[in-house]
Amino acid sequence: DVKVTQSSRYLVKRTGEKVFLECVQDMDHENMFWYRQDPGLGLRLIYFSYDVKMKEKGDIPEGYSVSREKKERFSLILESASTNQTSMYLCASSAGTPVALAITDTQYFGPGTRLTVL
Amino acid sequence: DAKTTQPPSMDCAEGRAANLPCNHSTISGNEYVYWYRQIHSQGPQYIIHGLKNNETNEMASLIITEDRKSSTLILPHATLRDTAVYYCLPTLSGSNYKLTFGKGTLLTVNP
Repeated sequence: DVKVTQSSRYLVKRTGEKVFLECVQDMDHENMFWYRQDPGLGLRLIYFSYDVKMKEKGDIPEGYSVSREKKERFSLILESASTNQTSMYLCASSAGTPVALAITDTQYFGPGTRLTVL
Repeated sequence: DAKTTQPPSMDCAEGRAANLPCNHSTISGNEYVYWYRQIHSQGPQYIIHGLKNNETNEMASLIITEDRKSSTLILPHATLRDTAVYYCLPTLSGSNYKLTFGKGTLLTVNP
């Protein structure tokens, strides 16, 4: 079974803090994704990565950065946390081979991190 | 991307089959039909997908109509742990890198 783990289930941070969310997958997947999910807004893609050290912006990258130094690990960084970044953060991975940055295949999700910024 | 229509909620008795419909009348010929579900406060979970033929795995069965304009996800023996929001996503193979979840169907399995 594919296993995607996230470093924390719940996190509380203060405005202005630098926040690191870690995601690890154990299936040697090429692609990894960070989403946030908010009531009424559905799932929104922040960043994705189709290879080590490669990253692409999703729909809402502002205020976030990512790091992928190893294939199995994809980190989401909130440079200076703000209250509007309070959300559920979901990491996913997939095995598909990218074609012109189009990535297909089933995505497998971690349990999510519920981040509250005070 | 094809638009989908799913009932907002459904109820099912424990042990009975749950049949969840999805209308995707604008689906294109090379779009797969994917189903995910999300249990409260957890990440989405992949269930099954198909193109034209009916599919079955250890979790569910997927019935796709011949014209591909609708599909039905079947949980043959629903349990309380199947209570979740179920999402139907037509997905264009080779071009979809982000998942767009609609509102889905909240399935409540009752004891």
